[in-house]
Amino acid sequence: ILNVEQSPQSLHVQEGDSTNFTCSFPSSNFYALHWYRWETAKSPEALFVMTLNGDEKKKGRISATLNTKEGYSYLYIKGSQPEDSATYLCAFNFGNEKLTFGTGTRLTIIP
Amino acid sequence: DTGVSQDPRHKITKRGQNVTFRCDPISEHNRLYWYRQTLGQGPEFLTYFQNEAQLEKSRLLSDRFSAERPKGSFSTLEIQRTEQGDSAMYLCASSFPTGVTTGELFFGEGSRLTVL
Repeated sequence: ILNVEQSPQSLHVQEGDSTNFTCSFPSSNFYALHWYRWETAKSPEALFVMTLNGDEKKKGRISATLNTKEGYSYLYIKGSQPEDSATYLCAFNFGNEKLTFGTGTRLTIIP
Repeated sequence: DTGVSQDPRHKITKRGQNVTFRCDPISEHNRLYWYRQTLGQGPEFLTYFQNEAQLEKSRLLSDRFSAERPKGSFSTLEIQRTEQGDSAMYLCASSFPTGVTTGELFFGEGSRLTVL
Protein backbone atom coordinates (compact mmCIF):
# COMPACT_ATOMS: atom_id res chain seq x y z
CA ILE A 1 0.00 0.00 0.00
CA LEU A 2 1.43 3.36 -1.04
CA ASN A 3 0.88 6.25 1.33
CA VAL A 4 1.39 9.85 0.40
CA GLU A 5 1.13 12.14 3.39
CA GLN A 6 0.80 15.88 3.40
CA SER A 7 1.20 18.26 6.30
CA PRO A 8 -0.25 20.35 7.61
CA GLN A 9 -3.84 19.54 6.66
CA SER A 10 -4.70 23.22 6.69
CA LEU A 11 -3.14 26.54 7.53
CA HIS A 12 -3.97 30.21 7.62
CA VAL A 13 -1.30 32.67 6.53
CA GLN A 14 -1.29 36.43 6.65
CA GLU A 15 -1.06 38.14 3.27
CA GLY A 16 2.55 38.94 2.50
CA ASP A 17 3.98 36.16 4.68
CA SER A 18 5.82 33.19 3.22
CA THR A 19 4.84 29.61 3.94
CA ASN A 20 5.77 26.05 3.13
CA PHE A 21 4.28 22.59 3.41
CA THR A 22 5.44 19.02 3.11
CA CYS A 23 4.68 15.94 1.06
CA SER A 24 6.06 12.56 2.19
CA PHE A 25 6.07 9.54 -0.10
CA PRO A 26 7.65 6.08 -0.39
CA SER A 27 11.31 6.41 -1.33
CA SER A 28 11.44 3.15 -3.32
CA ASN A 29 10.39 2.75 -6.96
CA PHE A 30 10.20 6.49 -7.44
CA TYR A 31 9.40 7.88 -10.88
CA ALA A 32 7.76 11.26 -10.38
CA LEU A 33 6.26 13.61 -7.85
CA HIS A 34 3.51 15.99 -8.96
CA TRP A 35 2.18 19.15 -7.28
CA TYR A 36 -1.26 20.51 -8.14
CA ARG A 37 -3.17 23.58 -6.98
CA TRP A 38 -6.94 23.21 -6.70
CA GLU A 39 -8.99 26.35 -6.23
CA THR A 40 -12.61 26.02 -5.20
CA ALA A 41 -14.98 25.49 -8.16
CA LYS A 42 -12.08 25.18 -10.60
CA SER A 43 -10.07 22.30 -11.98
CA PRO A 44 -6.84 21.09 -10.36
CA GLU A 45 -3.91 22.78 -12.10
CA ALA A 46 -0.42 21.34 -12.34
CA LEU A 47 2.34 23.31 -10.67
CA PHE A 48 5.32 20.99 -11.01
CA VAL A 49 6.31 17.51 -12.13
CA MET A 50 9.58 16.51 -10.51
CA THR A 51 11.59 13.44 -11.43
CA LEU A 52 15.18 13.84 -10.24
CA ASN A 53 16.56 13.76 -6.71
CA GLY A 54 17.61 17.26 -5.75
CA ASP A 55 15.26 18.86 -8.29
CA GLU A 56 14.26 22.42 -7.51
CA LYS A 57 11.54 24.04 -9.59
CA LYS A 58 10.12 27.53 -9.53
CA LYS A 59 7.05 29.22 -10.98
CA GLY A 60 6.75 32.86 -9.97
CA ARG A 61 6.51 33.02 -6.16
CA ILE A 62 6.05 29.25 -5.81
CA SER A 63 8.92 26.79 -5.67
CA ALA A 64 9.40 23.14 -4.80
CA THR A 65 12.23 20.86 -3.82
CA LEU A 66 12.54 17.09 -4.04
CA ASN A 67 14.45 14.52 -1.99
CA THR A 68 13.78 11.05 -3.37
CA LYS A 69 16.25 9.28 -1.08
CA GLU A 70 14.38 10.29 2.05
CA GLY A 71 10.98 10.56 0.39
CA TYR A 72 9.85 14.15 0.78
CA SER A 73 9.10 17.28 -1.18
CA TYR A 74 8.56 20.82 0.06
CA LEU A 75 6.40 23.46 -1.57
CA TYR A 76 7.23 27.08 -0.77
CA ILE A 77 5.12 30.17 -1.39
CA LYS A 78 6.85 33.49 -1.01
CA GLY A 79 4.89 36.64 -0.18
CA SER A 80 1.44 34.98 -0.05
CA GLN A 81 -1.38 36.68 -1.93
CA PRO A 82 -5.15 36.09 -1.60
CA GLU A 83 -5.17 34.27 -4.96
CA ASP A 84 -2.87 31.63 -3.43
CA SER A 85 -5.81 30.38 -1.33
CA ALA A 86 -6.38 26.84 -2.56
CA THR A 87 -5.82 23.19 -1.73
CA TYR A 88 -2.35 22.02 -2.70
CA LEU A 89 -2.13 18.34 -3.65
CA CYS A 90 0.95 16.25 -4.15
CA ALA A 91 0.89 12.93 -5.99
CA PHE A 92 3.41 10.12 -6.33
CA ASN A 93 4.09 7.93 -9.35
CA PHE A 94 6.09 4.70 -9.34
CA GLY A 95 6.23 3.98 -13.03
CA ASN A 96 2.73 3.02 -14.09
CA GLU A 97 -0.03 5.37 -15.19
CA LYS A 98 -1.49 5.98 -11.73
CA LEU A 99 -0.95 8.92 -9.48
CA THR A 100 -1.40 8.33 -5.75
CA PHE A 101 -2.53 11.59 -4.18
CA GLY A 102 -2.18 12.90 -0.67
CA THR A 103 -5.15 14.44 1.09
CA GLY A 104 -3.90 17.95 0.42
CA THR A 105 -2.97 21.07 2.35
CA ARG A 106 -5.75 23.65 2.45
CA LEU A 107 -4.19 27.12 2.44
CA THR A 108 -6.16 30.24 3.36
CA ILE A 109 -4.57 33.65 2.96
CA ILE A 110 -5.85 36.27 5.39
CA PRO A 111 -5.96 39.76 3.84
CA ASP B 1 -11.80 27.17 -24.20
CA THR B 2 -9.78 24.11 -25.20
CA GLY B 3 -9.34 22.49 -21.82
CA VAL B 4 -10.86 19.27 -20.48
CA SER B 5 -14.62 19.56 -20.15
CA GLN B 6 -16.96 17.42 -18.07
CA ASP B 7 -20.71 17.13 -18.10
CA PRO B 8 -22.82 17.38 -16.05
CA ARG B 9 -21.08 19.46 -13.39
CA HIS B 10 -23.58 18.39 -10.75
CA LYS B 11 -25.89 15.41 -10.55
CA ILE B 12 -28.33 14.55 -7.80
CA THR B 13 -29.92 11.15 -8.06
CA LYS B 14 -31.85 8.67 -5.97
CA ARG B 15 -30.27 5.46 -4.80
CA GLY B 16 -30.66 2.72 -7.37
CA GLN B 17 -30.71 4.99 -10.41
CA ASN B 18 -28.08 4.91 -13.16
CA VAL B 19 -25.93 7.94 -13.95
CA THR B 20 -23.53 8.71 -16.77
CA PHE B 21 -20.78 11.30 -16.89
CA ARG B 22 -19.06 12.54 -20.01
CA CYS B 23 -15.51 13.83 -20.44
CA ASP B 24 -14.07 15.60 -23.47
CA PRO B 25 -10.28 15.67 -23.22
CA ILE B 26 -7.85 18.06 -24.86
CA SER B 27 -7.87 17.02 -28.51
CA GLU B 28 -4.18 16.23 -28.92
CA HIS B 29 -4.06 14.09 -25.75
CA ASN B 30 -4.29 10.34 -26.30
CA ARG B 31 -4.41 9.40 -22.61
CA LEU B 32 -7.52 9.88 -20.52
CA TYR B 33 -7.99 9.19 -16.82
CA TRP B 34 -10.84 9.03 -14.35
CA TYR B 35 -10.33 9.79 -10.66
CA ARG B 36 -12.78 10.00 -7.77
CA GLN B 37 -12.51 12.26 -4.77
CA THR B 38 -14.55 11.68 -1.64
CA LEU B 39 -14.81 14.08 1.28
CA GLY B 40 -11.54 14.56 3.11
CA GLN B 41 -9.55 12.40 0.70
CA GLY B 42 -7.27 13.07 -2.21
CA PRO B 43 -8.32 11.99 -5.71
CA GLU B 44 -8.20 8.20 -6.17
CA PHE B 45 -7.39 6.55 -9.48
CA LEU B 46 -10.26 4.69 -11.16
CA THR B 47 -9.18 3.88 -14.69
CA TYR B 48 -7.19 5.05 -17.70
CA PHE B 49 -7.36 4.83 -21.48
CA GLN B 50 -4.74 5.07 -24.14
CA ASN B 51 -6.69 6.01 -27.23
CA GLU B 52 -9.76 3.73 -27.13
CA ALA B 53 -8.10 0.97 -25.10
CA GLN B 54 -8.86 0.77 -21.38
CA LEU B 55 -5.49 -0.32 -20.03
CA GLU B 56 -5.92 -0.24 -16.28
CA LYS B 57 -8.80 -0.39 -13.82
CA SER B 58 -8.67 0.13 -10.08
CA ARG B 59 -10.21 -2.40 -7.69
CA LEU B 60 -12.31 0.59 -6.59
CA LEU B 61 -14.17 0.23 -9.87
CA SER B 62 -16.83 -2.32 -8.95
CA ASP B 63 -19.00 -4.18 -11.44
CA ARG B 64 -21.50 -1.33 -11.26
CA PHE B 65 -18.98 1.03 -12.87
CA SER B 66 -18.12 1.00 -16.54
CA ALA B 67 -16.05 3.41 -18.58
CA GLU B 68 -15.71 3.68 -22.31
CA ARG B 69 -13.82 5.72 -24.84
CA PRO B 70 -15.27 4.41 -28.08
CA LYS B 71 -13.39 6.43 -30.68
CA GLY B 72 -10.42 7.48 -28.62
CA SER B 73 -11.86 10.94 -28.11
CA PHE B 74 -14.53 11.57 -25.44
CA SER B 75 -15.14 9.14 -22.60
CA THR B 76 -18.16 8.16 -20.52
CA LEU B 77 -18.27 6.82 -16.99
CA GLU B 78 -21.50 5.04 -16.07
CA ILE B 79 -22.55 4.02 -12.58
CA GLN B 80 -25.41 1.55 -12.38
CA ARG B 81 -27.68 1.10 -9.36
CA THR B 82 -26.08 3.98 -7.50
CA GLU B 83 -25.43 3.73 -3.78
CA GLN B 84 -24.95 6.50 -1.26
CA GLY B 85 -21.28 5.60 -1.05
CA ASP B 86 -20.91 6.61 -4.70
CA SER B 87 -21.42 10.26 -3.73
CA ALA B 88 -18.17 11.95 -4.74
CA MET B 89 -16.48 14.28 -7.20
CA TYR B 90 -15.61 12.42 -10.39
CA LEU B 91 -12.60 14.00 -12.08
CA CYS B 92 -11.48 13.42 -15.64
CA ALA B 93 -7.98 14.26 -16.82
CA SER B 94 -5.97 13.88 -20.00
CA SER B 95 -2.30 13.90 -20.85
CA PHE B 96 0.19 13.79 -23.68
CA PRO B 97 1.53 10.39 -24.76
CA THR B 98 4.41 10.63 -22.26
CA GLY B 99 1.91 10.03 -19.46
CA VAL B 100 2.35 10.81 -15.78
CA THR B 101 5.88 9.46 -15.34
CA THR B 102 7.21 12.68 -16.81
CA GLY B 103 4.21 14.86 -17.70
CA GLU B 104 1.33 16.56 -15.95
CA LEU B 105 -2.36 15.76 -15.92
CA PHE B 106 -4.82 18.32 -17.27
CA PHE B 107 -7.99 18.06 -15.23
CA GLY B 108 -11.56 19.01 -15.90
CA GLU B 109 -13.65 20.77 -13.27
CA GLY B 110 -15.25 17.52 -12.19
CA SER B 111 -18.75 16.10 -11.96
CA ARG B 112 -20.15 16.12 -8.44
CA LEU B 113 -22.53 13.25 -7.72
CA THR B 114 -24.92 13.22 -4.79
CA VAL B 115 -26.88 10.03 -4.19
CA LEU B 116 -29.90 10.46 -1.93
